[in-house]
This record gives sequence, C-alpha cells and structure tokens, in this order.
Amino acid sequence: GENVEQHPSTLSVQEGDSAVIKCTYSDSASNYFPWYKQELGKGPQLIIDIRSNVGEKKDQRIAVTLNKTAKHFSLHITETQPEDSAVYFCAASPRGGANNLFFGTGTRLTVIP
Amino acid sequence: DAGITQSPRHKVTETGTPVTLRCHQTENHRYMYWYRQDPGHGLRLIHYSYGVKDTDKGEVSDGYSVSRSKTEDFLLTLESATSSQTSVYFCATGTVNTEAFFGQGTRLTVV
Repeated sequence: GENVEQHPSTLSVQEGDSAVIKCTYSDSASNYFPWYKQELGKGPQLIIDIRSNVGEKKDQRIAVTLNKTAKHFSLHITETQPEDSAVYFCAASPRGGANNLFFGTGTRLTVIP
Repeated sequence: DAGITQSPRHKVTETGTPVTLRCHQTENHRYMYWYRQDPGHGLRLIHYSYGVKDTDKGEVSDGYSVSRSKTEDFLLTLESATSSQTSVYFCATGTVNTEAFFGQGTRLTVV
C-alpha cells in the first residue's frame, strides 16, 4: 500500500514568517494530495488539495507544490498568524478524491506572536 | 463539519466488552469511512463503505466490524475491546470527486 512520510513533526515560527511542511509518497499511482488542518478537539478540515496534473496551487497565504518525479509535495504558509497554529496532515490517494486516503503522521505548527 | 455527527463523543469501557460507535451524516454522501488517530501514526483507515451494505477493509481492520444499513448511518463495532483500541475515532464522508469531510471524533478509552 501507499506510504506517506511527513516532516518535520514539530515546527515553530515567528508570526509573519513562512512555514514549510514536506511529504513524500511511495505509490506512483497516487493522484490526489490533500492537506488537512486539525485544531485541538476537532476533526481535520481540508485547507488545500492538488491533483497530479497540476504542479502548484495557491489559495491566499497557502500554497502546495507537487513533484511527481520525486514523489514529494509540500505545503507553504506565508505571513503566518497565531491562528495558523494547529496540526497539519498531508495525505495521498491512489484512487482519487476522498477514497482510500493514506495520511502522514502530522506536523504540529506553533506560530509565536 | 459537513453535517456529520458522531456518538458518543467520549466513552470509557472495560476490556472484553463490545462497543459500537455511530456516525450519522446529512450530506447524502456515498462514501463513509472510519479512521483511528494515534500519536505518531496520523490517521489510519479502519473500514469504509461505498454504499448501503457495501463495505470493505482498510489498513487496520483487525478487531473491528462495520455495518451500513442506511445511507446516512455507518456503525463501527469493537466486538471485544482491547487496550490497544484506545484511540480517537473519526468518521468521514465524501464522494469520488470531493474531499473527505470529518466528524468531531470519538475518544474511546479501554481500561
């Protein structure tokens, strides 16, 4: 099955700085890569996703890049704010969409005011 | 939370007892999923359903069973709970072309 590795496990940044979280995947058939944000006591919520026919996608302060050749994808958050503090999970799906998601182990992001 | 309700939200049970967790959705999504979340493991798929009475195993299905008799309800049963099943359980729903929407989670402690 698919194996997704995520780094770093914890990340602290000063407010206003950028944060980058990286993931690698093993199954070349994976074609859908979502990123989820989980706040304390809540379920994960999608913040951005990318499909394998696109190399980069941006939504305001959040961007995701995908390198299919190297099998890695990254989340970039610019101008970080305290409310960005949360646990972030990457995932990969060999079947596309919400079906059969394999998750990374998570990154706890702390934005220091 | 895309109309997903998990019950109970918290439960403490004894080793060897059966436990059923319920997921109810109002989105009419075809797919429903049960994940468990443990430190250092992220979220791992237990079972999923692609329609009424259609279910399949996920990555960590041993010790768990599921049932889906209606589109809106997906039940997860631990036939005989063990301490290794202490975890936070998340239900999710979605379609082939959409993201997965997660519920608020159920914290289960097996003592």
